[in-house]
Amino acid sequence: ETGVTQTPRHLVMGMTNKKSLKCEQHLGHNAMYWYKQSAKKPLELMFVYSLEERVENNSVPSRFSPECPNSSHLFLHLHTLQPEDSALYLCASSEAAGLPYEQYFGPGTRLTVT
Amino acid sequence: GDSVTQMEGPVTLSEEAFLTINCTYTATGYPSLFWYVQYPGEGLQLLLKATKADDKGSNKGFEATYRKETTSFHLEKGSVQVSDSAVYFCALSDQMDSNYQLIWGAGTKLIIKP
Repeated sequence: ETGVTQTPRHLVMGMTNKKSLKCEQHLGHNAMYWYKQSAKKPLELMFVYSLEERVENNSVPSRFSPECPNSSHLFLHLHTLQPEDSALYLCASSEAAGLPYEQYFGPGTRLTVT
Repeated sequence: GDSVTQMEGPVTLSEEAFLTINCTYTATGYPSLFWYVQYPGEGLQLLLKATKADDKGSNKGFEATYRKETTSFHLEKGSVQVSDSAVYFCALSDQMDSNYQLIWGAGTKLIIKP
């Protein structure tokens, strides 16, 4: 595997379910990101991790809970979501946070909340 | 705060046509500017960037020049191909306002017809 991978690619869940999104980067980077991509809206940065520590949390509802067990893996735990949370969730990584390094993106998880 | 404005899409062109996608920005400091591209079913990937005024970024036949006087970073290509069909995102990174986090435009969908 190379680059940034995300699983699953598609997820349908009910509002009472609990699920997790997984991201893995094979680039040796120290920073990882979760973004939400909704139609016709700018990408919304949700969380930033640098060396496994959360450095940014952009007012994201608590029904989204990130976890970064090591610098290669990032999870987004989901519970009691709302239909408006349906979107493409993108993971990215970069050499470091806090500097203008290029971000490398995974293909995303298409989430549908029913 | 900083912001990025892109022309609304979709932009539909015939093969070999000239392409311009407009991008303007507001920034507190001296931002770096980026164009990312998202092909269908894939994550975003960096297309080109410019880090200071009058710099020109170029890649795969695409070009954009950092114009401080007009606060613009328009994307151009002289002759587009069907394979250029994708969504294009303009973004900026500004230490003064966002500590180098990327601020994104809403994206412009480009459709190239044979």
